[in-house]
Amino acid sequence: KAGVTQTPRYLIKTRGQQVTLSCSPISGHRSVSWYQQTPGQGLQFLFEYFSETQRNKGNFPGRFSGRQFSNSRSEMNVSTLELGDSALYLCASSPGTGGRHEKLFFGSGTQLSVL
Amino acid sequence: TQLLKQSPQFLSIQEGENLTVYCNSSSVFSSLQWYRQEPGEGPVLLVTVVTGGEVKKLKRLTFQFGDARKDSSLHITAAQPGDTGLYLCAGLGGYNKFYFGSGTKLNVKP
Repeated sequence: KAGVTQTPRYLIKTRGQQVTLSCSPISGHRSVSWYQQTPGQGLQFLFEYFSETQRNKGNFPGRFSGRQFSNSRSEMNVSTLELGDSALYLCASSPGTGGRHEKLFFGSGTQLSVL
Repeated sequence: TQLLKQSPQFLSIQEGENLTVYCNSSSVFSSLQWYRQEPGEGPVLLVTVVTGGEVKKLKRLTFQFGDARKDSSLHITAAQPGDTGLYLCAGLGGYNKFYFGSGTKLNVKP
């Protein structure tokens, strides 16, 4: 089985621009979650999509948005980039059916640098 | 808000030493997972513990879930340089939401 694929791997943007990140989950997984990871704040939950619907949301401003397509692929968009948005953005897929044995499988991440 | 606190935050030891990492919360979780992350990569799942008091062993790694399902520990015996990385615990709460600890950065020196 192919793992979770995130593109692009690296991205450099300037303040005020917008960016779109992509995530292809493991085949058969219906849940995709996004996380922001910075050295100071650790792993912060952005949102989770399940069957094209946002099921959970973290405490991030409206500049951060996402969507999921019918094939479970997901995109995350950040508008009006700020310097503080520089981080490793991780996508994780899971079956999404719930239960105590639910597990997250992470991609390698997109390293975003905002200049 | 379900918060998971990990300790210690940093750990630097010599090869062959033993160590324990703790993950504590005031909230109850359905299950608890441990991940290891290497620089520039995503976290990789090591183990899931689901029953209070459960102990799981993975070669030199021993994972324990507290009786009340609020805390967990990871013990590494005879650490090796290959164990170096960021160790993250994550609790599964309501609505299929995962809560991650702040992480323990382990460096094992040869």
